[in-house]
Amino acid sequence: DQQVKQNSPSLSVQEGRISILNCDYTNSMFDYFLWYKKYPAEGPTFLISISSIKDKNEDGRFTVFLNKSAKHLSLHIVPSQPGDSAVYFCAASLGNQFYFGTGTSLTVIP
Amino acid sequence: ETGVTQTPRHLVMGMTNKKSLKCEQHLGHNAMYWYKQSAKKPLELMFVYNFKEQTENNSVPSRFSPECPNSSHLFLHLHTLQPEDSALYLCASSQLPGEQETQYFGPGTRLLVL
Repeated sequence: DQQVKQNSPSLSVQEGRISILNCDYTNSMFDYFLWYKKYPAEGPTFLISISSIKDKNEDGRFTVFLNKSAKHLSLHIVPSQPGDSAVYFCAASLGNQFYFGTGTSLTVIP
Repeated sequence: ETGVTQTPRHLVMGMTNKKSLKCEQHLGHNAMYWYKQSAKKPLELMFVYNFKEQTENNSVPSRFSPECPNSSHLFLHLHTLQPEDSALYLCASSQLPGEQETQYFGPGTRLLVL
């Protein structure tokens, strides 16, 4: 059974607006969460992470929010840019094990 | 060359062939990983190597055989694969094995088994 879920396979957002990508997980023992971005024909590239002791981490236009009680993670991109169009994977880790979602394909419309 | 590299980028093989995937990391990391990504499925962790020693094997069939000769190189030897093994195979590395480490991925090898 999938321990990390991204229920929206795709998302379209107008350039300049906020993109919100969501992720849910089932294992309350996960202690580290990451977002990866993937362009076609490339491997996933690390974007931003958050430890389970925090509820928010910000890096430029990217902010990750963690709601442990809801077992929910979200990535906010603001303002969205056409170059942000890619597939975004969330991941959760416990020790050496990483669990990934199926990805959300984001399209930013110019 | 920097980061994590993988060769070949594309591979087509028959079910009776033997081939190997190669991964090299230039980041000075000590842990390396093999993942499989099938269409519309999440990345599946296959193997973990920490300091050249295999520490995880997530119930991977024996037709996949990993090899880690040193901390910078990781191979995945393939033999008598099945069509359902067709997928994107990703290699990753991290500084240290264990907690709260970020993994860095290679570009992947797109494998098609006929």
